[in-house]
Amino acid sequence: SQQGEEDPQALSIQEGENATMNCSYKTSINNLQWYRQNSGRGLVHLILIRSNEREKHSGRLRVTLDTSKKSSSLLITASRAADTASYFCATDWSGANNLFFGTGTRLTVIP
Amino acid sequence: EPEVTQTPSHQVTQMGQEVILRCVPISNHLYFYWYRQILGQKVEFLVSFYNNEISEKSEIFDDQFSVERPDGSNFTLKIRSTKLEDSAMYFCAIFKGLINTGELFFGEGSRLTVL
Repeated sequence: SQQGEEDPQALSIQEGENATMNCSYKTSINNLQWYRQNSGRGLVHLILIRSNEREKHSGRLRVTLDTSKKSSSLLITASRAADTASYFCATDWSGANNLFFGTGTRLTVIP
Repeated sequence: EPEVTQTPSHQVTQMGQEVILRCVPISNHLYFYWYRQILGQKVEFLVSFYNNEISEKSEIFDDQFSVERPDGSNFTLKIRSTKLEDSAMYFCAIFKGLINTGELFFGEGSRLTVL
């Protein structure tokens, strides 16, 4: 299976702290993407990192990719209560944009 | 305005009934995808659809499932004879951007409850 696995499954932090979520996957990839899902809602794309990139930033988000370890991390700095959601990594292994999602990390930011 | 609108937002059906879920993009797209998410579980790929043909499908997408683009705009997922385990959120997505650097835009989903 190409699907990723995130850890931790759940993370609870205080507002203002940083949140780090990790993702591991099994096969070679073209790119890895992170999505956010509010409870019962659709998924929203956050950031994409290509297989030849090691780090990428977007606002308070920082993503790293280590293809040798087949792992990625998502760091959210200075978290806010509005960041409370589930975060999923998704891998595109075929280049055909058929994404395979991980199990997700449920983040709770306590105000 | 969302890139993709899905209807119905929630459908309750009896086991064995046929269900059609609809997806309407706001502009013309060539790439469509269906995913499903059983409550509290991971998002699972069902099928991708490119240029009016199935591009790829997962093991979940068996003979009970079919996809169509009946009028060149709407994109539908049909489940021919629903089972209890088909209860899930079904998400339609469209692809925008360049190959290998683009992103998927998801609809808000259709919740299917099979009784």
